[in-house]
Amino acid sequence: DQQVKQNSPSLSVQEGRISILNCDYTNSMFDYFLWYKKYPAEGPTFLISISSIKDKNEDGRFTVFLNKSAKHLSLHIVPSQPGDSAVYFCAASWAQGAQKLVFGQGTRLTINP
Amino acid sequence: DVKVTQSSRYLVKRTGEKVFLECVQDMDHENMFWYRQDPGLGLRLIYFSYDVKMKEKGDIPEGYSVSREKKERFSLILESASTNQTSMYLCASSLHHSYEQYFGPGTRLTVT
Repeated sequence: DQQVKQNSPSLSVQEGRISILNCDYTNSMFDYFLWYKKYPAEGPTFLISISSIKDKNEDGRFTVFLNKSAKHLSLHIVPSQPGDSAVYFCAASWAQGAQKLVFGQGTRLTINP
Repeated sequence: DVKVTQSSRYLVKRTGEKVFLECVQDMDHENMFWYRQDPGLGLRLIYFSYDVKMKEKGDIPEGYSVSREKKERFSLILESASTNQTSMYLCASSLHHSYEQYFGPGTRLTVT
């Protein structure tokens, strides 16, 4: 049972435009969410996170939005750059989860020049 | 700089072999994790450890075991490798109360 879902396996965006990656979750216990970025032949690297007490967190070109009632989060990248081409994973955790993360399937983002 | 290293980037083993995957972190992190990454399935947790000699099963522990004799080292063991264990294996570590995990580069294991 996939508790964290990324329903778009791939996304293609023009350089300079906004990239929006989506993630849905089913477990109401989740209270912390993270986005990771993964290049081929490298391990995932942490990008940005958000606690369930917030609905938005911003870090430079990256903004994560959380809609708890819809159990939905999204990552916005503005403006998109060629170096943003990678696979993006959303992940969720919960206070009693011993810092375990539950990952989505990933979305491959391609930024076209 | 934070560093997690894995013993091999690529590994080819035969069915039935015992396989050891090693992970070392130099950040004095308490928590260590083993995941496998498969297309369309994302990262799935195999085992994790929050202290030396402590281990907990993740979501898919069948066919695997782990060992943590020292704080910095976490080993994943495939007791008898099977073709369905062909995958990318990722090790990660984190501080005791932190959600942010740091990942190694991964080991791509092929079992033939």
